[in-house]
Amino acid sequence: EIVLTQSPGTLSLSPGETATLSCRASQNVRSNYLAWYRQKPGQAPRPLIYRASSRATGIPDRFSGGGSGTDFTLTISRLEPEDFAVYYCQQFGGTPITFGQGTRLEIK
Amino acid sequence: QLQLQESGPGLVKPSETLSLTCTVSGGSISSSNYYWGWVRQTPGKGLEWIGSIYYSGITFDNPSLKSRVTMSLDTSKNQYSLKLTSVTAADTAVYYCAKTTDGYRNWFDSWGQGTLVTVSS
Repeated sequence: EIVLTQSPGTLSLSPGETATLSCRASQNVRSNYLAWYRQKPGQAPRPLIYRASSRATGIPDRFSGGGSGTDFTLTISRLEPEDFAVYYCQQFGGTPITFGQGTRLEIK
Repeated sequence: QLQLQESGPGLVKPSETLSLTCTVSGGSISSSNYYWGWVRQTPGKGLEWIGSIYYSGITFDNPSLKSRVTMSLDTSKNQYSLKLTSVTAADTAVYYCAKTTDGYRNWFDSWGQGTLVTVSS
């Protein structure tokens, strides 16, 4: 099983700033099969990025994903109030599918 | 636009069977492109993939739960279902139905709103 470790656990920033979130895998993620989600309280996760760097439908270009192998990042530029939420990475290169434990992005 | 909606009891007794249904609208559960999955979320373990089912009926399970999970389809109602046997308090979670496309090992591109299931006597 591929274990995903996200860091930091909590990130405190102000609107307008840039957030950089990390997701590290315990082994190589085949074909960069990694996705990112944003989850607001009481809601289901919403897909942001798939295959490490492709934006899902309707996601603005403020969101960008990068990385390969075992190290992946999600960058959110020009933070808006709606961006303050919890972010999860998910790998689907290995079985079973696994998720990271999440990074909470909070308003400073 | 495809939508998913979970339904089922919010309270299940320990050792009993948890049963949930996901109703799909805006698309056919018989589509050959889609795989229909279940994901749960607990404060302790976070998000956990439970399993997925294809329109043909073939299922893909998380080994951590495999022996307790049964999934099925009802194409006449455009629904699919999850049964989890011998539940304990550790199965208390928000359960989501979620879809992937072109393979069960993929990103979840559509999600239901989730339903809280509590295991308690």
